[in-house]
Amino acid sequence: DQQVKQNSPSLSVQEGRISILNCDYTNSMFDYFLWYKKYPAEGPTFLISISSIKDKNEDGRFTVFLNKSAKHLSLHIVPSQPGDSAVYFCAASARSNYQLIWGAGTKLIIKP
Amino acid sequence: KAGVTQTPRYLIKTRGQQVTLSCSPISGHRSVSWYQQTPGQGLQFLFEYFSETQRNKGNFPGRFSGRQFSNSRSEMNVSTLELGDSALYLCASSPGVAGHGYTFGSGTRLTVV
Repeated sequence: DQQVKQNSPSLSVQEGRISILNCDYTNSMFDYFLWYKKYPAEGPTFLISISSIKDKNEDGRFTVFLNKSAKHLSLHIVPSQPGDSAVYFCAASARSNYQLIWGAGTKLIIKP
Repeated sequence: KAGVTQTPRYLIKTRGQQVTLSCSPISGHRSVSWYQQTPGQGLQFLFEYFSETQRNKGNFPGRFSGRQFSNSRSEMNVSTLELGDSALYLCASSPGVAGHGYTFGSGTRLTVV
């Protein structure tokens, strides 16, 4: 049972445009959500997070939106840069639990 | 704060051998989780240790085992290696309580020949 789903295995975006990565979850107990970025042969690095008391969190070029009623979150990258080409994972956890549940990842390719 | 240290970075082993990978978490972090990543696959959860106890386990065969020491350092062992065990093994450190993310190490690239 996949509690966190990233339905797009890959996404290709023109440099300078907006990249939108999506993530859906099924567990209504999740209240903390994170995005990680991963380059090949490296460990994932934390990008941005959001708690369920918010519907938006922004950090520079990165914004995460949370729609609790739809159980959906998205990561917006504006403008997209070549260095953003990586695999992006979303993860979620519940206040009652310590464990992060991971999506399968979306490979973002930024075209010059 | 020093980051998460995984050793070795690269390893080549022969089928049937066993291997031990090491992870030193961030100072003060009590939780260490292990993940396997194979080409084209997401992060497959192996197990998590918290205060020297295995707190959670993924769906991997018993050939995969781990332990955690009193200083929170953790080791992962794979016995009777198979070709399919070739992967990037990642260790993640966290305080081990809700509302915190993980910090990953750079991983150990294991190749089984």
